[in-house]
Amino acid sequence: NAGVTQTPKFQVLKTGQSMTLQCAQDMNHEYMSWYRQDPGMGLRLIHYSVGAGITDQGEVPNGYNVSRSTTEDFPLRLLSAAPSQTSVYFCATKPGEVYNEQFFGPGTRLTVL
Amino acid sequence: EDQVTQSPEALRLQEGESSSLNCSYTVSGLRGLFWYRQDPGKGPEFLFTLYSAGEEKEKERLKATLTKKESFLHITAPKPEDSATYLCAAVNSGNTPLVFGKGTRLSVIA
Repeated sequence: NAGVTQTPKFQVLKTGQSMTLQCAQDMNHEYMSWYRQDPGMGLRLIHYSVGAGITDQGEVPNGYNVSRSTTEDFPLRLLSAAPSQTSVYFCATKPGEVYNEQFFGPGTRLTVL
Repeated sequence: EDQVTQSPEALRLQEGESSSLNCSYTVSGLRGLFWYRQDPGKGPEFLFTLYSAGEEKEKERLKATLTKKESFLHITAPKPEDSATYLCAAVNSGNTPLVFGKGTRLSVIA
């Protein structure tokens, strides 16, 4: 039982490049979400999904795309990376009920040059 | 707009010096108040969920309490291994995502 896994752990991109951050969970949780964490800004929600085939925007969705074709996976796509997207990205999951605690992955540290 | 505010931003304690971290919230119809611990370079780790005013939960040297406007994380006789950033988050009754505070960075000095 691996919980929440994220790949890669570290990534360096050049401005304009695209890439996908992977998130997978083996807990059969319905709810998955992506956050970014920047110094002094705390955790900010990018996108979330309440189940396969359903996604919605969070606080800072611009420049990011998501899709949820299976319960297990929730990839985050950067279409054209910008230096402002340099951050640490966390994936989180929880059972469907809104007031259940979330479980976080180990994070991906992304640098855009 | 739902908001969660944590104070202080940073706290430095001597080993054994008890203190409290504050989390004030303005959330319509609070359904849950969560505390997480985050170590450098790692994802947040769940500590507690509080659901209603007056509720308290304990784990080792930590005790979380909840009122109608705020939550406290009390740390009794802290040790250096308690050094971390502590995050507070809240969720309302509208099935919207968690709202996080910016965290309190705790340093416990031996």
